[in-house]
Amino acid sequence: QVQLVESGGGVVQPGRSLRLSCVASGFSFSTYGMHWVRQAPGKGLEWVALILNDGNNKWYADSVKGRFTISRDNSKNTLYLQMNSLRAEDTAVYYCAKRDLTTEFDFWGQGTLVTVSS
Amino acid sequence: DVVLTQSPLSLPVTLGQPASISCRSSHSLVYSDGDTYLSWFQQRPGESPRRLINKVSDRESGVPDRFSGSGSGTDFTLKISRVEAEDVGVYYCMQGTHWPPYTFGQGTKLEIK
Repeated sequence: QVQLVESGGGVVQPGRSLRLSCVASGFSFSTYGMHWVRQAPGKGLEWVALILNDGNNKWYADSVKGRFTISRDNSKNTLYLQMNSLRAEDTAVYYCAKRDLTTEFDFWGQGTLVTVSS
Repeated sequence: DVVLTQSPLSLPVTLGQPASISCRSSHSLVYSDGDTYLSWFQQRPGESPRRLINKVSDRESGVPDRFSGSGSGTDFTLKISRVEAEDVGVYYCMQGTHWPPYTFGQGTKLEIK
């Protein structure tokens, strides 16, 4: 069965960096695009970034463009989110989610909490 | 960006009674391939979101048939024919037609009356 396991969250000061990971199993990772989606405490869902299966095509939400970088290592079945210049408003649970061939977010990980605070 | 507006935002329902959530889009969600990429997600308390329905009305494997999706163009509805206790949570619509960005509705919190 499909499993997505995020890690790397924690407490970080404003302006610092953090890298999240998402290890995938139960499907052919290199075949599918992958997303990051976040949810601020008590708030709704916000799409963050998408990377296609070959890693060469990426898209970002305006709120993170220029600060966050999505990447993947298909040999390790792992998705990454490099987050630089973090702000208080980046505080959220970050989920990785799988893209199906024609539809989005068919499977989600359990999430990892990032708290940006001094 | 496409804005999705859900209503109501809070939905108290008696067990066994039906429930309905509306999702209205600022733009038509019909894609050039003829499909409409509107999905519904359920997020139970303390859990990750789970996709219930994609492309307006295609129910995911394992989703009870009391859940159904309908609509077209800019107006969509998620219906639960008879609410059960396990249905408590927040429901989101999401559009994948005009991206980036992918956008979600604000969420509708379903609770048992």
